[in-house]
Amino acid sequence: QKEVEQDPGPLSVPEGAIVSLNCTYSNSAFQYFMWYRQYSRKGPELLMYTYSSGNKEDGRFTAQVDKSSKYISLFIRDSQPSDSATYLCAMSARDDKIIFGKGTRLHILP
Amino acid sequence: GAGVSQSPSNKVTEKGKDVELRCDPISGHTALYWYRQSLGQGLEFLIYFQGNSAPDKSGLPSDRFSAERTGGSVSTLTIQRTQQEDSAVYLCASSSGTFRETQYFGPGTRLLVL
Repeated sequence: QKEVEQDPGPLSVPEGAIVSLNCTYSNSAFQYFMWYRQYSRKGPELLMYTYSSGNKEDGRFTAQVDKSSKYISLFIRDSQPSDSATYLCAMSARDDKIIFGKGTRLHILP
Repeated sequence: GAGVSQSPSNKVTEKGKDVELRCDPISGHTALYWYRQSLGQGLEFLIYFQGNSAPDKSGLPSDRFSAERTGGSVSTLTIQRTQQEDSAVYLCASSSGTFRETQYFGPGTRLLVL
């Protein structure tokens, strides 16, 4: 079993819809959970960062962490064509290297 | 200020040749990371530099790969005797915090080995 599992997609949704992206993981030592967005031919950029369990909201984006289920989610409200990108989940234990998911390709259809 | 920069942006080389990839981190960032991203694969950790500490080389796939960081700033990733399976995007990131999660990535170098 891989440490981090993420559906590669592609995921296509109409503009304005709510998008749900998620990852599962196996290492119970993970404490830090991140979502990165990567546009084509660009480096990833940090979108959301969460420590331990719970929710975090930033504008149209909400990150959720459920450590009991080893499951993390990213929700995008009122999706826009500019949200079309690859979204990578990432996580780490304290003072350890980050483990990335393979990324989910998202297409928002105008 | 300027973000992380990498050069070249694209590199085509012949199998067996050596290549050098360069990374300029954000000024003042003490930590620098190299990753490899292959088609359909996630980001694969290669090496990590933090200040004057010995680098964490645990992700380097073979002894053909090496990296150095001069003066705590610019870093060079060297791949010797390149193989076709080395074709990938090589990403550099830097961070200022003591934890590894606040990383800022460069645009990457796309390496194609023919």
